[in-house]
Amino acid sequence: DADVTQTPRNRITKTGKRIMLECSQTKGHDRMYWYRQDPGLGLRLIYYSFDVKDINKGEISDGYSVSRQAQAKFSLSLESAIPNQTALYFCATSDYRYYNEQFFGPGTRLTVL
Amino acid sequence: AQSVAQPEDQVNVAEGNPLTVKCTYSVSGNPYLFWYVQYPNRGLQFLLKYITGDNLVKGSYGFEAEFNKSQTSFHLKKPSALVSDSALYFCAVRVPGGNTPLVFGKGTRLSVIA
Repeated sequence: DADVTQTPRNRITKTGKRIMLECSQTKGHDRMYWYRQDPGLGLRLIYYSFDVKDINKGEISDGYSVSRQAQAKFSLSLESAIPNQTALYFCATSDYRYYNEQFFGPGTRLTVL
Repeated sequence: AQSVAQPEDQVNVAEGNPLTVKCTYSVSGNPYLFWYVQYPNRGLQFLLKYITGDNLVKGSYGFEAEFNKSQTSFHLKKPSALVSDSALYFCAVRVPGGNTPLVFGKGTRLSVIA
């Protein structure tokens, strides 16, 4: 969905490096989310934010941090990357007026060596 | 706590045959239910949702889903499968009101064979 963009689309890094994944949206939604996708495990929620001043942990937040710089921007950081953080990462947005139907970005494929 | 189960990791169907992808849920109260599809190397795309009203919901690409409260199910269906329907399908649920994100199932891979 071109309304939700993620950068970079692919990243290879080494164990111990700090990595930031960025998400921007032009949908005007107040809510933003970060998920990771692993084969056989589906989508797991890392962090979510319902407005700029609201940050909440999801089911797998350990090893990750986030920053909501503006309504339209939500960044995910891996402070010290480890190989089991190799995954496909998705950003999503929603609007409470539409039952929180979520709109997804194209994903970032992260490989930690 | 809310949860979703997709009991089949893989569903295979011949082109032209009807398809069903199963989803059951567990929530307290009445659920909001969603289906998403993921094509290779793409993000998830919204297919359809059930909020209230008619139990049969119609969505994109000819898909539909039936909400069954007694069986706590929300199975995705299509009368005639296409090869282009081959993808990964996710069911998701949330409870009305409050500030709760969607909870996703683990996904079902649909393969439509020509």
